[in-house]
Amino acid sequence: SQTIHQWPATLVQPVGSPLSLECTVEGTSNPNLYWYRQAAGRGLQLLFYSVGIGQISSEVPQNLSASRPQDRQFILSSKKLLLSDSGFYLCAWSPRLTGGLTNYGYTFGSGTRLTVV
Amino acid sequence: DAKTTQPNSMESNEEEPVHLPCNHSTISGTDYIHWYRQLPSQGPEYVIHGLTSNVNNRMASLAIAEDRKSSTLILHRATLRDAAVYYCILPGSARQLTFGSGTQLTVLP
Repeated sequence: SQTIHQWPATLVQPVGSPLSLECTVEGTSNPNLYWYRQAAGRGLQLLFYSVGIGQISSEVPQNLSASRPQDRQFILSSKKLLLSDSGFYLCAWSPRLTGGLTNYGYTFGSGTRLTVV
Repeated sequence: DAKTTQPNSMESNEEEPVHLPCNHSTISGTDYIHWYRQLPSQGPEYVIHGLTSNVNNRMASLAIAEDRKSSTLILHRATLRDAAVYYCILPGSARQLTFGSGTQLTVLP
């Protein structure tokens, strides 16, 4: 069965420090991968998505970047964190499908709660 | 990408059915309708999805209007654990999910 791992679960970082959040998927190949953020009391915002190794699409200009060095690995990074980067970060995956039909559900990781102080 | 409209909040009594509506008047012929829910402090959880026909699974049922411009998520017997924010989503061209504000479901004991 497919599983998605995301770590760490919680993180407290000072302003200006770097960030690296990792997400890996097991039990599937060629997944679409996504990074979302949810600020306190707000909705989920799509940050990045990837349809293949080295292919990253950014939805919103951010102090963040994403990379996909391996097929089932998705990394969210920042060189210098801002207070506004605090939030609940979620990784998700969906099967790579042909024909453009989204007839499979998406699976989310358990999330990383980041607090920038 | 097609957008959806949901009520901000709904209430239900425990062990009664709940009907959560969603309007998606700009849906295209190939858009699947997805429903997810998010419990407090957790990531979204897949509930159900469908294209044209009504769908059932162990969690819920999805009733899709004949013109596909609206759908209803049906929880047959609400429990306290069903209290969550429910999202109705039409995945984008790159199959990305764009979350709106969803419907906050409160289940009363």
